[in-house]
Amino acid sequence: EIVLTQSPGTLSLSPGERVTLSCRASQSVNSDYLAWFQQIPGQAPRLLIYATSSRATGIPDRFSGSGSGTDFTLTIARLEPEDSAVYYCQQYGSSPRTFGQGTKVEIK
Amino acid sequence: QVQLVQSGAEIKKPGASVRVSCKTSGYTFTNYYIHWVRQTPGQGLEWMGIINPSGGGPNYAQNLQGRVTMTRDTSTSTVYMEMSSLRSEDSAVYYCARGAYGSGSYGTFDIWGQGTVVSVSS
Repeated sequence: EIVLTQSPGTLSLSPGERVTLSCRASQSVNSDYLAWFQQIPGQAPRLLIYATSSRATGIPDRFSGSGSGTDFTLTIARLEPEDSAVYYCQQYGSSPRTFGQGTKVEIK
Repeated sequence: QVQLVQSGAEIKKPGASVRVSCKTSGYTFTNYYIHWVRQTPGQGLEWMGIINPSGGGPNYAQNLQGRVTMTRDTSTSTVYMEMSSLRSEDSAVYYCARGAYGSGSYGTFDIWGQGTVVSVSS
């Protein structure tokens, strides 16, 4: 099983700031099979990024993804108040599909 | 639009079974796999398994083998997840999600149901 470890656990930033979230895998992940989700409390997760760097339908271009091998990154270029949420990475290239434990982004 | 609508909250006693439904609409049911994921405060997001609505056997997470069953009804475009021998640690929000953006059964989850709360308590 591929274990995904996200850091940091929590971030508290001001609107307009740049945010970088990390996802590290216990073994190499094919970059075609790494995704990021956003979850607002009380809602289902929403797909942001798939295949490491492709934005899902309707996702603003301030969200971007990068990485390869065991290290992947989600970047929010300019933080908006509505970006307050928990962000999860996921690998879907091997079974079981696994998720990171999440990074909580708070807006000051 | 594409929608996955799940059945309502359930309260069960330990040892009982629960069945959660996921009714799909807005796309061709047999063209996309459906996954089940559960979420607990302690364990986070956990993938439970996958079913191919066009046929073939489901694939379950190893730790749930023997307790979970996924089925589909093509006449109503609905997928079902049944879990037996419930214990308190199965209390969670259960989600169905459509598989996409991958290859074959290895896709991520582009559309999610709203979630079904299952509470297991004596």
